[in-house]
Amino acid sequence: DTGVSQNPRHKITKRGQNVTFRCDPISEHNRLYWYRQTLGQGPEFLTYFQNEAQLEKSRLLSDRFSAERPKGSFSTLEIQRTEQGDSAMYLCASNHRDKQETQYFGPGTRLLVL
Amino acid sequence: AQTVTQSQPEMSVQEAETVTLSCTYDTSENNYYLFWYKQPPSRQMILVIRQEAYKQQNATENRFSVNFQKAAKSFSLKISDSQLGDTAMYFCAFMKLRGSGGYQKVTFGTGTKLQVIP
Repeated sequence: DTGVSQNPRHKITKRGQNVTFRCDPISEHNRLYWYRQTLGQGPEFLTYFQNEAQLEKSRLLSDRFSAERPKGSFSTLEIQRTEQGDSAMYLCASNHRDKQETQYFGPGTRLLVL
Repeated sequence: AQTVTQSQPEMSVQEAETVTLSCTYDTSENNYYLFWYKQPPSRQMILVIRQEAYKQQNATENRFSVNFQKAAKSFSLKISDSQLGDTAMYFCAFMKLRGSGGYQKVTFGTGTKLQVIP
């Protein structure tokens, strides 16, 4: 068990560019969550996958954001036409259906949009 | 919708002393979990302690304990014998208890930055 991993750890991009982040959950965890954390705030829920199905999306997830989990393992979060307001830490978490009460978080990807 | 409020943006404590972090929440649910997560500087968030709402007994994990007051919707964290490694952001969080097939969105507070002073 190597824990939840996220890549890249840091990303600096110019406004208008597209970025993609990857999350590798703990193996055999069938549930995966994306959160966004802005400076001075707690994480806010973005979206949730059970296996490959995206079952819930927050209103925070505008149409410039898309998340996938094609094989029910790793997940990607893409932001198109980035804006300065997208600058934040993007956190991924995972857990197993049979152990619902605890989510295990990755180290996050810190995005800075210039 | 659930809300979680942490009214102490920053706190400090002398090493080896005891500190209490406050958290209140609002929900109409009866079955839920409450958590305290720790986020050290530039490191990932880890679970410190968890409390099931249906349990009256306060949870404890070594130097960490909670004071859960369900009627008052209060959930404070006490850290005893504070250590330098306790320096971190601490987030109080809420999760509704759902049956099989339901997801568990966690609602976080805004955090308390704790500094342990040598």
